[in-house]
Amino acid sequence: DAEITQSPRHKITETGRQVTLACHQTWNHNNMFWYRQDLGHGLRLIHYSYGVQDTNKGEVSDGYSVSRSNTEDLPLTLESAASSQTSVYFCASSESSGGARDTQYFGPGTRLTVL
Amino acid sequence: AQTVTQSQPEMSVQEAETVTLSCTYDTSESDYYLFWYKQPPSRQMILVIRQEAYKQQNATENRFSVNFQKAAKSFSLKISDSQLGDAAMYFCAYRSAAGGTSYGKLTFGQGTILTVHP
Repeated sequence: DAEITQSPRHKITETGRQVTLACHQTWNHNNMFWYRQDLGHGLRLIHYSYGVQDTNKGEVSDGYSVSRSNTEDLPLTLESAASSQTSVYFCASSESSGGARDTQYFGPGTRLTVL
Repeated sequence: AQTVTQSQPEMSVQEAETVTLSCTYDTSESDYYLFWYKQPPSRQMILVIRQEAYKQQNATENRFSVNFQKAAKSFSLKISDSQLGDAAMYFCAYRSAAGGTSYGKLTFGQGTILTVHP
């Protein structure tokens, strides 16, 4: 069955370190998204991609970067981790049909703690 | 930019009773989609129900139904015959039907924690 996976599921790091969170989907979806979830804010969009070599900034992109070298993967990099980036991170993917049935499928999330 | 507001941080319901979760949104667009997602303690995001803005008929999925009021920009979720497994965080979300840089992105509300009492 097609799926979307994230690794690691839990990560503890120190302030100033570079961290990369992996996202891999086997749906063959063109669209991929990264969100962060914080209490009182719901999920907020960090970066997104509509296809290979395409990346776009979302609502809260400062301090994060992504690259899309193939259809399946969209890794999220924290260039220099800050305590404000302690959060739960979700990756999602969707087809590019744009219609109502164009559902976003979410990964299981990565809980990141920056000390 | 669109915004989505869930004004109820927490709600509770007795098992087998009905509960309604509120959601309002702000947009200048006429064509869009609205969603309710469920997030149980496992953290997995599960799509509960979706509504196309151009459809006047309210969406229904088994025990879940919505009350979509386009003019009022309101999109509430009604859960009938509540079950213990319905306990979760519920998110309302908006997606534009436009193309370009708005394409495919979800804007979420803050979430409502639903507790179901036996």
